[in-house]
Amino acid sequence: ETGVTQTPRHLVMGMTNKKSLKCEQHLGHNAMYWYKQSAKKPLELMFVYNFKEQTENNSVPSRFSPECPNSSHLFLHLHTLQPEDSALYLCASSHTRGEGGELFFGEGSRLTVL
Amino acid sequence: GQNIDQPTEMTATEGAIVQINCTYQTSGFNGLFWYQQHAGEAPTFLSYNVLDGLEEKGRFSSFLSRSKGYSYLLLKELQMKDSASYLCAVTDSNYQLIWGAGTKLIIKP
Repeated sequence: ETGVTQTPRHLVMGMTNKKSLKCEQHLGHNAMYWYKQSAKKPLELMFVYNFKEQTENNSVPSRFSPECPNSSHLFLHLHTLQPEDSALYLCASSHTRGEGGELFFGEGSRLTVL
Repeated sequence: GQNIDQPTEMTATEGAIVQINCTYQTSGFNGLFWYQQHAGEAPTFLSYNVLDGLEEKGRFSSFLSRSKGYSYLLLKELQMKDSASYLCAVTDSNYQLIWGAGTKLIIKP
C-alpha cells in the first residue's frame, strides 16, 4: 500500500453537482490535511485534523465540507462549486500536528468545475 | 505578513549544477523544508534545515542562514529526471507551514 492514497485522481463536475474526494493514509499518522494547489500559487491550507478533531479551517467557503471519521480517512465533500474552485486538491498526513515534522502527500485530485 | 520568495522558473543543462534560492519573512522560525513535485505527482520531501549550514544528501544539498532569512537547494550532476517543481516551506513559531509558490526547473540535454 502506498503511504497516502487519494481518489478520484480526476473529477469534472457542474456547479450544481455534489461530489466527494477521499483520502486514506497507511502511515499511522495522527494529523491529516487538505490543501488546494493552483498554478503558480503557494499551497493553500484548507483544513487540518489532529486525532480526528478539526483544528483549523482557514476561512474556507462552506461549499467545501471536510469529514474525518478516523485518523486514517479524510473526505472533502463538494457542493455548488464555482469555476474558480478548479484546482489540484492535495491530501497530506504527518505524525502529529504541531510537531513540525514532514508532510506526506497524496498524488492529488484534479478538479474541474464547469 | 508572512512571505516566501523563490524564482518562478529556472533552466539548466544536464550534467550541470543549479542553485534554487528561497528567501523568507515569517513570524518566528522552526525549520525549513524543500519538497520536489513532478508534474501530476505528489510533492515529496527532499530536505529539512533548522540550524545554519549545509545539509548534504547525495546529489542534493540544502543550505540555511537564519540571520539572512535565506536558503538554497543545490542540485549537482543534473539528470533529466530532476525536471520538476521545487517547493520551499518554512515552519513559523506556531508550527504553521508557510509555502513558496515553487520553482519550476527545466533540464535541457
